[in-house]
Amino acid sequence: DAKTTQPPSMDCAEGRAANLPCNHSTISGNEYVYWYRQIHSQGPQYIIHGLKNNETNEMASLIITEDRKSSTLILPHATLRDTAVYYCIVRVRDMRFGAGTRLTVKP
Amino acid sequence: DGGITQSPKYLFRKEGQNVTLSCEQNLNHDAMYWYRQDPGQGLRLIYYSQIVNDFQKGDIAEGYSVSREKKESFPLTVTSAQKNPTAFYLCASSIKQGVYSNQPQHFGDGTRLSIL
Repeated sequence: DAKTTQPPSMDCAEGRAANLPCNHSTISGNEYVYWYRQIHSQGPQYIIHGLKNNETNEMASLIITEDRKSSTLILPHATLRDTAVYYCIVRVRDMRFGAGTRLTVKP
Repeated sequence: DGGITQSPKYLFRKEGQNVTLSCEQNLNHDAMYWYRQDPGQGLRLIYYSQIVNDFQKGDIAEGYSVSREKKESFPLTVTSAQKNPTAFYLCASSIKQGVYSNQPQHFGDGTRLSIL
């Protein structure tokens, strides 16, 4: 399975867009990109996933580069409740969670 | 509401005891998973099951055992052979892998196990 690289932490102002990057340069053609987030002491919450097209749902947008070697999760209007650890995962079968990005939304 | 229920939320174990963590789902998912999370780290796969009466070891299966007698239930037993069992344990489920392998896993809220 491909590995991912994410910055350990990021800050974002409340109401602004949060753009979380992820590098997955060794991704193979049949591996999807998934994003989850985890608020302290809770289970990971699924956000969005995609293969090669950009995706959008009620929570976020996922932008995948044309070569699929990187992606960006966009939270369009971050709120304080979006403060969490965000995980970018590529997988065919099993979920392999790394350390993720700790996003802090500040008032 | 459909979802995954893990119980108990907190569990304490004396050294040398086996303990069983419960995981129940009413999502009609075929596949179920157990993960372990240590402080400040990501999740590591312990066991997974794609169908009733079948399961496979993950990356860190030593000291753990599972059963899958019913589709909706996938209990995890932490045995006395697990030398460092203190951790946060997460259960997940998904539509069966291999057929719809792009389907995401959905997680319960975890059980925090501590050694007395």
